Amino acid sequence: DQQVKQNSPSLSVQEGRISILNCDYTNSMFDYFLWYKKYPAEGPTFLISISSIKDKNEDGRFTVFLNKSAKHLSLHIVPSQPGDSAVYFCAASEGTGRRALTFGSGTRLQVQP
Amino acid sequence: NAGVTQTPKFQVLKTGQSMTLQCAQDMNHEYMSWYRQDPGMGLRLIHYSVGAGITDQGEVPNGYNVSRSTTEDFPLRLLSAAPSQTSVYFCASRRTGGRSYNEQFFGPGTRLTVL
Repeated sequence: DQQVKQNSPSLSVQEGRISILNCDYTNSMFDYFLWYKKYPAEGPTFLISISSIKDKNEDGRFTVFLNKSAKHLSLHIVPSQPGDSAVYFCAASEGTGRRALTFGSGTRLQVQP
Repeated sequence: NAGVTQTPKFQVLKTGQSMTLQCAQDMNHEYMSWYRQDPGMGLRLIHYSVGAGITDQGEVPNGYNVSRSTTEDFPLRLLSAAPSQTSVYFCASRRTGGRSYNEQFFGPGTRLTVL
């Protein structure tokens, strides 16, 4: 059973508009969440993260929101740019730095010029 | 500083053949791991290592073997390839101290096809 779920395989938005990517998790022990971005033929790269003690983290055009009661997080990209077109993976972890990350299945974002 | 390197980039095997996917990092990271990426499944952890001489199984370890004799290298061995192992394989590394997930670096991947 997948502990981290990204229910939207794909999303298409117009350049300049907001992109909202969603992620749900089932393991209440997860206390750290990350978003990775992946371009074709490349490995994933870290984008933004949030600790469970916060409900929001911002980095430029990217904001991650965490709703612990709903076990839900979202990534907002404002404004969206064509270069943001990629696959976005949500990931979660629990405990210390020795634990592995659990990834969602990814959402392919296409930003139309 | 090359980061995480993986070889080969592409590989085609026949069922039953064995091979080793190479992974190396030059950042002196203690933690290294192997993931496979399949459509609709995200990245699933195969094996990981928290330091030289220490390895452990991840979510999908069957059919794979690893060893960690140096900090830099973490090869993944397919013992007897099966079509179900057709996938894209990613190696990753990071430090183990504190919340170091932000600094998990991935290699470019190896695309493996088993016929």
